[in-house]
Amino acid sequence: GIQVEQSPPDLILQEGANSTLRCNFSDSVNNLQWFHQNPWGQLINLFYIPSGTKQNGRLSATTVATERYSLLYISSSQTTDSGVYFCAASGYSTLTFGKGTMLLVSP
Amino acid sequence: NAGVTQTPKFQVLKTGQSMTLQCAQDMNHEYMSWYRQDPGMGLRLIHYSVGAGITDQGEVPNGYNVSRSTTEDFPLRLLSAAPSQTSVYFCASSYRAYTGELFFGEGSRLTVL
Repeated sequence: GIQVEQSPPDLILQEGANSTLRCNFSDSVNNLQWFHQNPWGQLINLFYIPSGTKQNGRLSATTVATERYSLLYISSSQTTDSGVYFCAASGYSTLTFGKGTMLLVSP
Repeated sequence: NAGVTQTPKFQVLKTGQSMTLQCAQDMNHEYMSWYRQDPGMGLRLIHYSVGAGITDQGEVPNGYNVSRSTTEDFPLRLLSAAPSQTSVYFCASSYRAYTGELFFGEGSRLTVL
């Protein structure tokens, strides 16, 4: 199946800073999603983005399917952005999750 | 619209006991799945279903049983709990199998002593 690698594994930011999280995948995809797991353990769907670019407030994501990567941008970070960000990808099969990027935003 | 509902949220079992984690969704989703999350391992797929009456194994199916008698419900059964099954379990569903947005329940923390 598809291999999914995320980088960096950990990230510490000062409130207000911007960041870019990366997701590399090993094969062509027809499903790619970004999730945020908050400190209470809830998993929230951020973007469904097998290709192209989407924006939702301070967050945006871009997937370049031909080059097999996706990027999640967080601008003007807030302490509530802390948690783990997961990328998940699949061809026409079940999603494979990366191991996540743990983000800590300090005030 | 409750979304994906999991029960119980917390459970402690003794080795060898059996139990069922319940999962229900009210979004008429075709696809339902169970994941386990362990430190440093990300989310691993246990079992999934692409519709009522259809189930299949994921990456880590051993020790778990599922059934899908209705579109709404997808229970996960532990037949004889082992300490290695101590984990946080998530149920997730999507409108369409393989290509839909995945929505998660709040998770169930299971400890096996």
